[in-house]
Amino acid sequence: DTGVSQDPRHKITKRGQNVTFRCDPISEHNRLYWYRQTLGQGPEFLTYFQNEAQLEKSRLLSDRFSAERPKGSFSTLEIQRTEQGDSAMYLCASSRGPSNQPQHFGDGTRLSIL
Amino acid sequence: ELKVEQNPLFLSMQEGKNYTIYCNYSTTSDRLYWYRQDPGKSLESLFVLLSNGAVKQEGRLMASLDTKARLSTLHITAAVHDLSATYFCAVERGKRWVEYGNKLVFGAGTILRVKS
Repeated sequence: DTGVSQDPRHKITKRGQNVTFRCDPISEHNRLYWYRQTLGQGPEFLTYFQNEAQLEKSRLLSDRFSAERPKGSFSTLEIQRTEQGDSAMYLCASSRGPSNQPQHFGDGTRLSIL
Repeated sequence: ELKVEQNPLFLSMQEGKNYTIYCNYSTTSDRLYWYRQDPGKSLESLFVLLSNGAVKQEGRLMASLDTKARLSTLHITAAVHDLSATYFCAVERGKRWVEYGNKLVFGAGTILRVKS
């Protein structure tokens, strides 16, 4: 169990640029989740996958956000035309689902918009 | 819409003292999680509470769930400095096994500082 891996750890970009983050889940986990966390708040759900199928997408996720999990293994989260309000920590989690096991979180990607 | 509220949001404790963090949620669920987050780090799973009356203990922390009151508590016994962190409760919607593995709705977190 090598844990959930996220890349990059930090991303600084100018407003209007596109950014892409990668998440590698724990290998035997079929469910993968994306959350966003801002300072002083708990994580907010963005979207999740079972294998390659995207099962749910939050209303928070504007059409500038897209997530994929093409082969049911790693996932990418892309933000197009970034805005100041996108600055946050983006967390990925994975789990064996449906089951009674908790979601395991990665260390996150911190996005800063200049 | 499921809402999760924690209180207090900030807790400063003396070493050796006991205290309780409360987590209330707004709609029916029988699955609740507690996580710990250290500064700059990710979330570490502490407890999974699966049914009404569930109680779990690990070291100086004990968590319980009352699904009728829609309330979970995290009790800290004889606090030590190493427990300083932010604690989150998270509720998973759904009440039947087939619905498990869904999104989590988190509280805002309780920042715990244990002073010597």
